[in-house]
Amino acid sequence: DQQVKQNSPSLSVQEGRISILNCDYTNSMFDYFLWYKKYPAEGPTFLISISSIKDKNEDGRFTVFLNKSAKHLSLHIVPSQPGDSAVYFCAASAKRKLIFGQGTELSVKP
Amino acid sequence: GAVVSQHPSWVICKSGTSVKIECRSLDFQATTMFWYRQFPKQSLMLMATSNEGSKATYEQGVEKDKFLINHASLTLSTLTVTSAHPEDSSFYICSASDSFPNEQFFGPGTRLTVL
Repeated sequence: DQQVKQNSPSLSVQEGRISILNCDYTNSMFDYFLWYKKYPAEGPTFLISISSIKDKNEDGRFTVFLNKSAKHLSLHIVPSQPGDSAVYFCAASAKRKLIFGQGTELSVKP
Repeated sequence: GAVVSQHPSWVICKSGTSVKIECRSLDFQATTMFWYRQFPKQSLMLMATSNEGSKATYEQGVEKDKFLINHASLTLSTLTVTSAHPEDSSFYICSASDSFPNEQFFGPGTRLTVL
């Protein structure tokens, strides 16, 4: 029973263009959503988060959008840079426990 | 920023032995620490949640007698994999949380290989 799903295992984008990573969830009790960036053999690094009472949060090149009615969130990175290449995990929080999606491997090509 | 360390970063052991992994919050007091495991190309799966000074809460399907968790202080939690078997080989990651409601700070992970 996968409560948080990232249906695209990989995404390839040209440098300078927009990267859009998607995430769907099933549990309406989630109250906080987070995006993490992860390199192989390293722990995840926090990127950006959004509370369930908001629909958008922006931090520099990163913007997270939340559509509660669709139980869908997305991470926009613009402009994309080669250093953004990594695996991106979305996570949903309920009672301080994080449930992670399967991850999407982003490759930004020069 | 908040820094969480793990030791060792990798370990190879023989089947049947026990392995201890340490997780430390270096610059803040972690009221709660979490332990995850990740298999290749898969998601991070929460194993257990531990609060300082109390017993850990294990997720469904995680054997508490096999994965012993101790959270003796606000800066240190340990995970001991007892009688390790090859199927326990995985990437183990800890995270720590202080008073911030939802953000967790992750350690760099420990690669365990059981021969």
